[in-house]
Amino acid sequence: NAGVTQTPKFRVLKTGQSMTLLCAQDMNHEYMYWYRQDPGMGLRLIHYSVGEGTTAKGEVPDGYNVSRLKKQNFLLGLESAAPSQTSVYFCASRRGGAGYTFGSGTRLTVV
Amino acid sequence: GDSVTQMEGPVTLSEEAFLTINCTYTATGYPSLFWYVQYPGEGLQLLLKATKADDKGSNKGFEATYRKETTSFHLEKGSVQVSDSAVYFCALTMNSGNTPLVFGKGTRLSVIA
Repeated sequence: NAGVTQTPKFRVLKTGQSMTLLCAQDMNHEYMYWYRQDPGMGLRLIHYSVGEGTTAKGEVPDGYNVSRLKKQNFLLGLESAAPSQTSVYFCASRRGGAGYTFGSGTRLTVV
Repeated sequence: GDSVTQMEGPVTLSEEAFLTINCTYTATGYPSLFWYVQYPGEGLQLLLKATKADDKGSNKGFEATYRKETTSFHLEKGSVQVSDSAVYFCALTMNSGNTPLVFGKGTRLSVIA
């Protein structure tokens, strides 16, 4: 089915480990976003991209890096995971002016 | 910066009750406004939207009217069902190209039979 696919769906990391979350969309959307969702905080923007090869910081970028080497993929990296990064991560994409399409989320626990 | 404030939850209603979830916004211009819904264990889905003042968005029995004078976009439904139990997010984006969505903190709705 067309849409936004996030992998993995669940992950447990130890403090200090690194990992990469993958977001893939097959709708030829220009814009892609990474949000984190925490209880009582809503969704907060981590990083976003307005096109292949571009990235920009959102509201809470510290501790994360991103890359958009291909238009359909947007990677979120944690170089040295911390317990404060325990969260549910959502990727979204859109074509300019259109609504967002969200992935089903990645639940990350850092112990 | 731009922000969205929505009523604190959780909200618990009986089936067929009337629902209102308040949402107000602060923005430097005239944003587009959205309501998203998140069912348990899922991502967010667009419920409805309005792109200019006095527009009314509607979907699945839910409605919200863009009120510029009160900077509000309250979500309403006349008769809720158990299947409406979810978390509802109000959001805005400015109408200039690539501005990301700004979300409220979400309101959890539980509907009991």
